[in-house]
Amino acid sequence: DGGITQSPKYLFRKEGQNVTLSCEQNLNHDAMYWYRQDPGQGLRLIYYSQIVNDFQKGDIAEGYSVSREKKESFPLTVTSAQKNPTAFYLCASSTFRAPNQPQHFGDGTRLSIL
Amino acid sequence: AQKVTQAQTEISVVEKEDVTLDCVYETRDTTYYLFWYKQPPSGELVFLIRRNSFDEQNEISGRYSWNFQKSTSSFNFTITASQVVDSAVYFCALSEALDNQGGKLIFGQGTELSVKP
Repeated sequence: DGGITQSPKYLFRKEGQNVTLSCEQNLNHDAMYWYRQDPGQGLRLIYYSQIVNDFQKGDIAEGYSVSREKKESFPLTVTSAQKNPTAFYLCASSTFRAPNQPQHFGDGTRLSIL
Repeated sequence: AQKVTQAQTEISVVEKEDVTLDCVYETRDTTYYLFWYKQPPSGELVFLIRRNSFDEQNEISGRYSWNFQKSTSSFNFTITASQVVDSAVYFCALSEALDNQGGKLIFGQGTELSVKP
C-alpha cells in the first residue's frame, strides 16, 4: 500500500539536544511538507520541498532544518534553537507543488521535552 | 490577508443527528481552492474534498455534503445522520493560486466533533 510513514510515533528531547523526525513516502510524489500542530490550533507550515535537493522555509522555520536528498525522504531536524518544540508534527506530500493538489498526510510524530 | 476561521471549537451531538461545521475564509485571490480534512484520534489528516473558486456547485458524497457560497465566503460541511465513527477533528483549509509558495495550505483552527451513541 502506498502512503507516508513517519517515525518515531513518540519522541522525547533533552535540553540542548537536536532530534530528527523521519518522513518517507512511496507515493512517487514530488512535493513534501512539514507541519506543526499545537493544541487548539490549525497546522502551520515549517518547510516544504518541491524537488530533490531543494526546499523552502514556511511560516515557522526558525529552529528547524530539513534535507531532501532522495525523492522519498524528507527528514526534519528540531534543533536546540527551537525553544518550544513540544507539538505534534505532521509530514505530507502531494503529486506536485500546486495550489489545487490535495496533500496526503502521515500519522504524525508527537515530540515532548524531557 | 488570507485566513480561515472555524468558529466552532467543539461540537457534541447524539448519533443520527445532523451536524454542520462552519468555515469562513478570507482571500484577495480570485482563484483559490478550499479543502476539508478529517483528523481521527490516530492523528493523520484524511483528505475529504477539494473545491475550486469557480465551482459553486454543492457536492454530496454519501452522508457528507458541502455548501460553498462565495457571496458569504463560506464552505460549510454537513454530516447527515452522524455516527460515532465521525468523531474527529475537522479542518477547513485554503490554497491560493497566486501565492508564490504554491501549494501552501492555510488551515483553520479545527472543529472537534464528538458523536455520542
